[in-house]
Amino acid sequence: AQKITQTQPGMFVQEKEAVTLDCTYDTSDQSYGLFWYKQPSSGEMIFLIYQGSYDEQNATEGRYSLNFQKARKSANLVISASQLGDSAMYFCAMRDVGDTGNQFYFGTGTSLTVIP
Amino acid sequence: DTAVSQTPKYLVTQMGNDKSIKCEQNLGHDTMYWYKQDSKKFLKIMFSYNNKELIINETVPNRFSPKSPDKAHLNLHINSLELGDSAVYFCASSQTGTAYEQYFGPGTRLTVT
Repeated sequence: AQKITQTQPGMFVQEKEAVTLDCTYDTSDQSYGLFWYKQPSSGEMIFLIYQGSYDEQNATEGRYSLNFQKARKSANLVISASQLGDSAMYFCAMRDVGDTGNQFYFGTGTSLTVIP
Repeated sequence: DTAVSQTPKYLVTQMGNDKSIKCEQNLGHDTMYWYKQDSKKFLKIMFSYNNKELIINETVPNRFSPKSPDKAHLNLHINSLELGDSAVYFCASSQTGTAYEQYFGPGTRLTVT
């Protein structure tokens, strides 16, 4: 089974609007971390936001927030007030204890395009 | 002060050659990784080392051989390069623990002709 599922290969959003990028995960561990990364066309991988499995509040970092619904095993990224510079690939990732405690599982990514 | 650095950034070579990519991190992390990102942007884990010990070794052709001389370095050597090896290779590092994110290097774009 896929550990991380991102069902939206591509998304479009109008500038200044909010957008939600979906992510569901699968783990039987109680302790795990959820991460979002941004990859602009320049290619670098940029860490955006982290949510711990025991965190009761949704994580926020500036215009990024993580909508964490533990029972549904979802960790959607919400970008508010979209900017042209938000156009990029976005990857959801999970890290659980697993066999080594050190493996990250990445989704297939969502390509976001912000329309002026 | 680059956190995770990779050299070279671009690598163009012919089929059958042997090449190496070097990675260094100055974050004091105990775990380092190699990923391959294909043209569809899918990130595939290849190897991971924790304190110089190989802990993740995914199904990768044995033409790929990682080497970690110390905690701060993880190199990737590729023998007998094939066209299908063309991709972007990312090095990353992290501290052990589910709360720690990975820091990625800038990537090495390998093109095999």
